[in-house]
Amino acid sequence: AQTVTQSQPEMSVQEAETVTLSCTYDTSENNYYLFWYKQPPSRQMILVIRQEAYKQQNATENRFSVNFQKAAKSFSLKISDSQLGDTAMYFCAFRQGAQKLVFGQGTRLTINP
Amino acid sequence: EPEVTQTPSHQVTQMGQEVILRCVPISNHLYFYWYRQILGQKVEFLVSFYNNEISEKSEIFDDQFSVERPDGSNFTLKIRSTKLEDSAMYFCASSLQTGANYGYTFGSGTRLTVV
Repeated sequence: AQTVTQSQPEMSVQEAETVTLSCTYDTSENNYYLFWYKQPPSRQMILVIRQEAYKQQNATENRFSVNFQKAAKSFSLKISDSQLGDTAMYFCAFRQGAQKLVFGQGTRLTINP
Repeated sequence: EPEVTQTPSHQVTQMGQEVILRCVPISNHLYFYWYRQILGQKVEFLVSFYNNEISEKSEIFDDQFSVERPDGSNFTLKIRSTKLEDSAMYFCASSLQTGANYGYTFGSGTRLTVV
């Protein structure tokens, strides 16, 4: 069974700093998809960024980028120029084809003014 | 931008009562899902639904749970006899296809409190 591990329960940085959230996963499959979701205090789940495993190029969405290391089964999220509105829980998630999303335990990120 | 709508946003129910959580997926989406998140814990898959039938369910989704798409627009989750441990945030999601190019859209969730 696929598992997703986020080893940082909480992180805290100053506004405008760069922060990296870690995620590792376990699968025996070759084709799959990885996601980062943001959950602000409103508790809505918001897709931040996604990566297809067959693509070597790391995905980027504005201030958000990933470092995808397929051999190491690592999928970290980098937030550049962090903003107060980035304060949220961040969940890493794995999906293979039509199957369900498998989430990690989450990292609570606080951006301090 | 199209949204997945969930109602109610918060529901309080007594233990043993039946509860129905409602979701309106995005209109042209074909795949529907329920997830739950117990406070402070990770998000867990409950069930996926396609072509008017369950395509996959987790071990959490026992006989107390059922899903239905009664009228082509709503997608409901019913818990027949609620337990205290059913207290959680329940998220509905939908997608057009199942590939990564057609990612999930989540609703805002229903907070269920069983007392």
